Amino acid sequence: NAGVTQTPKFQVLKTGQSMTLQCAQDMNHEYMSWYRQDPGMGLRLIHYSVGAGITDQGEVPNGYNVSRSTTEDFPLRLLSAAPSQTSVYFCASKFIDNTEAFFGQGTRLTVV
Amino acid sequence: DAKTTQPTSMDCAEGRAANLPCNHSTISGNEYVYWYRQIHSQGPQYIIHGLKNNETNEMASLIITEDRKSSTLILPHATLRDTAVYYCIVIIQGAQKLVFGQGTRLTINP
Repeated sequence: NAGVTQTPKFQVLKTGQSMTLQCAQDMNHEYMSWYRQDPGMGLRLIHYSVGAGITDQGEVPNGYNVSRSTTEDFPLRLLSAAPSQTSVYFCASKFIDNTEAFFGQGTRLTVV
Repeated sequence: DAKTTQPTSMDCAEGRAANLPCNHSTISGNEYVYWYRQIHSQGPQYIIHGLKNNETNEMASLIITEDRKSSTLILPHATLRDTAVYYCIVIIQGAQKLVFGQGTRLTINP
């Protein structure tokens, strides 16, 4: 199993550009989520999904869109990037009745 | 979900036991104590969890007080690779929102 795979690992965007952060898991987990981590801070939940076709907002959803068309993939879209979205983004997945989550290695995003 | 309180930072000598405390005085009867750690900006890694009994696995031991208002994560023989931020989370089983606080920055010194 590859676990949770995030791409890209690094990205630099200009203000106003859009992009999609990819997340894929091969563990057949129903639950997937996105977190952001700012320097020296803990992780904050952006969006999560409990299954294909179902998504919900976390603590800091503004400026981000998600969709879940398959069990394996959970992309995070930034429609118009802002410097405040400079952060490290982590994707996580788990079984829905469990709280042991598996995290990807992160995407380091810089918006200039 | 119950709030947790952890020290901001701790130091431990290599080879000694590292004991990381967590206070969760408002924990509910159906809430578990979970521990994760994050090594140098990698993705967080699950360590261990428990409800009311003490638990042990290949990574660590978890000691939960009888009143369940606090717990201690024990790394029995800390190595330099255990230097990380350790997060204590109190949550119901299967909860959909994992909320990470500031955690404890543990530094293992040679």
